[in-house]
Parts: sequence; C-alpha cells; structure tokens
Amino acid sequence: DQQVKQNSPSLSVQEGRISILNCDYTNSMFDYFLWYKKYPAEGPTFLISISSIKDKNEDGRFTVFLNKSAKHLSLHIVPSQPGDSAVYFCAASGRNYGGSQGNLIFGKGTKLSVKP
Amino acid sequence: SAVISQKPSRDICQRGTSLTIQCQVDSQVTMMFWYRQQPGQSLTLIATANQGSEATYESGFVIDKFPISRPNLTFSTLTVSNMSPEDSSIYLCSVGHFYEQYFGPGTRLTVT
Repeated sequence: DQQVKQNSPSLSVQEGRISILNCDYTNSMFDYFLWYKKYPAEGPTFLISISSIKDKNEDGRFTVFLNKSAKHLSLHIVPSQPGDSAVYFCAASGRNYGGSQGNLIFGKGTKLSVKP
Repeated sequence: SAVISQKPSRDICQRGTSLTIQCQVDSQVTMMFWYRQQPGQSLTLIATANQGSEATYESGFVIDKFPISRPNLTFSTLTVSNMSPEDSSIYLCSVGHFYEQYFGPGTRLTVT
C-alpha cells in the first residue's frame, strides 16, 4: 500500500503561469516532507522541504504548503519556466518513523511540462 | 550540499552475474543510503551504510543479494548479486538525513 501518493502522473502549464503539484500521504508518523526534481539520466535534485510544525515554506519561486489535517501537501512554482520541465517527486520521512532514519518514502512522481 | 558520483553510469549484464556499483562523495559523511527505482515505480530504500558497521537493510532486501561495503567516510559500494531481469533498475546512492538528502546521478542497470 502506497504511503505517499502523487495522483497526477503529468501536468502541463504555460510559461509564466503557476504550477501546482500535489501529494497525499497516509502515515501520521511522517514529520518531514521533501520535494525533488529529476531530469532524465540524472539523480533527483533536492528542491525544498517542510517540517510538520509548519504549514508553509518558501524558497524563491518554490513554495510548499502542508495541510496536516488533510494529510496533503503541494508544491507551487511561480512563475513557471521551461527549465522547470522535469519529473517532481514528493517524499516523506520522520524522526520516529519505523526503520532507518534516512528512509525517504517517495511518491511515483509527476511529470511537469512547461510550454513556452 | 554534497557532490556525489557513481560508477558505472549504466551497464548491461547477463543474468546470474554480479555488478558492483561505486559511490564517491566529496566530503565526509556519516550515513550513506542506497535506493532502487524500478521501471515506473518510486524510489525505494535498500539499505543504510554507516562506516565501521554492518549495513542496515530494509524489509524485502537481504545482504546476500545486495552486499554493501563502507570502508571510509567518503565511499561505499553496492553489489547486485546473481542478477535476474527483475533487478533491472536505476540504483542511486544518497547522503544526508531524514530531513535533507542528496542523491548521486544513479546507475542504470539492465539485466538480459
């Protein structure tokens, strides 16, 4: 059973507009959430994270929102640029999550296409 | 952040053989992790490698199949043993913690 779900396999957005990528999780033991961007033939690149004690974290064009009651988080990219076209992975982890403290639980990813 | 390199970047291997993947980091790190991404699937942690101790394997992964070495604080290897086509995946090493982790470029393995 998937504990981290990204229900949209793909998303297409016009350059300059907002991209919203969504992620849902099921395990309330998670207390950290991370977003990664992955280009073909490269490893995932860390983008931004958020602790469960916050509901928003912002870094430049990237903002992550966390709704703990809904077990939902989203990544907003404003404005979207063609170079943002990549696969975006949501991951969850926790200090007290069972197993290794480094265990990131990943979703399957959403492929974002930003059109000029 | 850390700069992580992996060798080889890709390989095609015959079933029944073994492949050793190397991971090199540009700074000393305590924990190194090995992940697998099977086609169409998400990344899954195989094991955690700490220097000077046995690797810790996640459920579903065993040392006989995926032996790991961690001889120092900047280097680790993962061996995929007695390969079958089901082992065709991207294998990635990473460093960091549960709140921030950095990945290498990955090794794309195809088993025929």
